[in-house]
Amino acid sequence: DGGITQSPKYLFRKEGQNVTLSCEQNLNHDAMYWYRQDPGQGLRLIYYSQIVNDFQKGDIAEGYSVSREKKESFPLTVTSAQKNPTAFYLCASSPLAGAMDTQYFGPGTRLTVL
Amino acid sequence: AQKITQTQPGMFVQEKEAVTLDCTYDTSDPSYGLFWYKQPSSGEMIFLIYQGSYDQQNATEGRYSLNFQKARKSANLVISASQLGDSAMYFCAMSQEGVNTDKLIFGTGTRLQVFP
Repeated sequence: DGGITQSPKYLFRKEGQNVTLSCEQNLNHDAMYWYRQDPGQGLRLIYYSQIVNDFQKGDIAEGYSVSREKKESFPLTVTSAQKNPTAFYLCASSPLAGAMDTQYFGPGTRLTVL
Repeated sequence: AQKITQTQPGMFVQEKEAVTLDCTYDTSDPSYGLFWYKQPSSGEMIFLIYQGSYDQQNATEGRYSLNFQKARKSANLVISASQLGDSAMYFCAMSQEGVNTDKLIFGTGTRLQVFP
């Protein structure tokens, strides 16, 4: 069953802690993305990766870091430098990079800072 | 700057009726793509329909159609024969050819509620 999985579904973090959100896809897609969604808002791009071992900052990359060591995995770390990390985080992938391809989304992780 | 505008925060429609969700966009590039996504209360973003800027015909996918008016820069989503399961947030998004082809720009969404 092909798709995009994200874990955990809910995550609670104390202030000052780093946390890592997992994103895995078995669709053999080249490109992967991380978006943030705040209440009443659309999605904003955090980071994206077109190829293994390469990634680019999106519009709101400050306080976040990513890695792309395998084609199927694109974990996002929310660092203590992120001032307001409470949000809904969505991972996506698309078949080809740089081709205006449709992006397909995972189920999301809801992060709450206590 | 590229921008997507959805002016309807909420819409109501009776079951089996058609509904139109508005989307206007702003770009100076000739090549772009327009997308609609559905976000139910579970949170997952579900792809519905795509329209390319050079496509001559309006896109259709089952009960979904995209009313593309290029001169007016609008890309409205039409849902025919609404069902209770259509109740969700709906987002319009745009991608562009060029340096940031992988970036999707989203509107703020429209909440659709279908009543019996």
